[in-house]
Amino acid sequence: DVKVTQSSRYLVKRTGEKVFLECVQDMDHENMFWYRQDPGLGLRLIYFSYDVKMKEKGDIPEGYSVSREKKERFSLILESASTSQTSMYLCASSTRDVSNQPQHFGDGTRLSIL
Amino acid sequence: GESVGLHLPTLSVQEGDNSIINCAYSNSASDYFIWYKQESGKGPQFIIDIRSNMDKRQGQRVTVLLNKTVKHLSLQIAATQPGDSAVYFCAENSGNFNKFYFGSGTKLNVKP
Repeated sequence: DVKVTQSSRYLVKRTGEKVFLECVQDMDHENMFWYRQDPGLGLRLIYFSYDVKMKEKGDIPEGYSVSREKKERFSLILESASTSQTSMYLCASSTRDVSNQPQHFGDGTRLSIL
Repeated sequence: GESVGLHLPTLSVQEGDNSIINCAYSNSASDYFIWYKQESGKGPQFIIDIRSNMDKRQGQRVTVLLNKTVKHLSLQIAATQPGDSAVYFCAENSGNFNKFYFGSGTKLNVKP
């Protein structure tokens, strides 16, 4: 089974702090994704990566950056946390194939910015 | 723009009954669809997928139906069990590099 592990289940930070969310997958997947999930809004794509050191903006990249130094690890960075970034953050991975493949998710990090 | 939506935000069913969860999509170019289940405190879990060259696909106790004419997707759960209680949402992809658009979800409550 695919295992996507997010380093923290709950995190509380203060406004203005630099915040790092870590994600590791063990299935040698090429693609990795960061989403945020808010009530009534569904999952919204922040950033994704299709290879090491590659990154692409998703639908809501403002205030975030990412890092993919190793294939199995994809980090989300909040450069200067704000209260509007309080949310559930979900990491996902998928394999690259000629046809679309499902994304596999971690259990999320619930981030609160005070 | 693209949109994926659900007709019912909450669905309550009796244990043992069949459940049907619906999803509408607006992008006629979408060619791959997934249903996810998300239990409280957990990440979304893949249930079943279907490609646009199919109308129906069956799994264990679950069936997904795709009607491309009206751009509608449904998930049928047979003999619903308490463990099926969760939020279910659909996702669509239009071939753009494995980028999916997700619905906001339907909460399924199974009454014993």
